[in-house]
Amino acid sequence: GAVVSQHPSRVICKSGTSVKIECRSLDFQATTMFWYRQFPKKSLMLMATSNEGSKATYEQGVEKDKFLINHASLTLSTLTVTSAHPEDSSFYICSARPLGTVSGGEQFFGPGTRLTVL
Amino acid sequence: GENVEQHPSTLSVQEGDSAVIKCTYSDSASNYFPWYKQELGKRPQLIIDIRSNVGEKKDQRIAVTLNKTAKHFSLHITETQPEDSAVYFCAAARTGTASKLTFGTGTRLQVTL
Repeated sequence: GAVVSQHPSRVICKSGTSVKIECRSLDFQATTMFWYRQFPKKSLMLMATSNEGSKATYEQGVEKDKFLINHASLTLSTLTVTSAHPEDSSFYICSARPLGTVSGGEQFFGPGTRLTVL
Repeated sequence: GENVEQHPSTLSVQEGDSAVIKCTYSDSASNYFPWYKQELGKRPQLIIDIRSNVGEKKDQRIAVTLNKTAKHFSLHITETQPEDSAVYFCAAARTGTASKLTFGTGTRLQVTL
């Protein structure tokens, strides 16, 4: 149980285009999902917290107009990288906290999406 | 905000030896401390976690200790095996509706034969 999927697993795009990444909780409902960015050999940096039915909360320094987050249902959150540039190339990972979990409890991670912007 | 420091950044041990990774945190209100294992190109996987009302927790070869007074917690892996080789991340969070994980910088563990 507690499986999180991400799609696509890899994407290569040209500068200036937009890319959408989906994060799904497959066997549980999640009121809260998180989006992280990870550079090679570095730690996970939280970009934003996504709550179903409300606006995402972005971390300091993360451009909300560039990284659009939508959490339309209890099993799906999407991250859209708008007008992508080479510096946006990274490993993007989502996680989900199951509905009813003690706040501050376990998060289950997706397999990640490797974005390369040419 | 919370700041989590993790040491060492790399650790090499021989198979069968023990490995210890240490983390410190800054927010005294943090009370949830998970440890994740991440293999290259894969997702982080929770291996053990501890809450602030517990000082130690063990699961087979893995144990975590927490010293809330000193604001540090440690991961102990005994009888290491080659498949333990990976990057390990500690994290800290407050409980509450707005809680979020702050990760340490990671430790690359290499278990050699």
